[in-house]
Amino acid sequence: GQQVMQIPQYQHVQEGEDFTTYCNSSTTLSNIQWYKQRPGGHPVFLIQLVKSGEVKKQKRLTFQFGEAKKNSSLHITATQTTDVGTYFCAGLLNTNAGKSTFGDGTTLTVKP
Amino acid sequence: NAGVTQTPKFQVLKTGQSMTLQCAQDMNHNSMYWYRQDPGMGLRLIYYSASEGTTDKGEVPNGYNVSRLNKREFSLRLESAAPSQTSVYFCASSEGGTLTEAFFGQGTRLTVV
Repeated sequence: GQQVMQIPQYQHVQEGEDFTTYCNSSTTLSNIQWYKQRPGGHPVFLIQLVKSGEVKKQKRLTFQFGEAKKNSSLHITATQTTDVGTYFCAGLLNTNAGKSTFGDGTTLTVKP
Repeated sequence: NAGVTQTPKFQVLKTGQSMTLQCAQDMNHNSMYWYRQDPGMGLRLIYYSASEGTTDKGEVPNGYNVSRLNKREFSLRLESAAPSQTSVYFCASSEGGTLTEAFFGQGTRLTVV
């Protein structure tokens, strides 16, 4: 079964509202990566988290890695229409011989 | 600098036909991957190659074969296409396996009828 779960599947927000997507694993992760895929496009790397409790920021985006390294979140402050797309997490499971597992993604739509 | 280039971009096959998806990267990366993406789902790993000369199965390898022709090229072959293989296929590469960021190609949209 799927080892990396991502919620919610869809999120519709008004421009200016905040947005958060969560990624959860049943097993400890070595690292977690976040990607963004615009409609009709290909995934583009955003960031990688490696350390327990790590927090990284990119302008309006804040990424967190849980203390137990089993969950992660991506928070966008004051969404803009350019933020639309699907956000994927990809977790590297300790037991999975170097193969990252992607979550199913959260699709964000922003109403102007 | 082209990054990761996939060909073709679109393809329609009849059930039972075979085809090869081509992928090439110009970033001198060691690792290359093939994923498939079905509607509303994430990317599922078909095969990957940690380095030139090695390949390994991912989550969904059945019905596919791969060849790491050299460091630049990694091809995916469907020997006998089935409707269940209708999907968008992405090739990706990374410098140091899954510990480093992956760069994705533009994707191949495959329909099997």
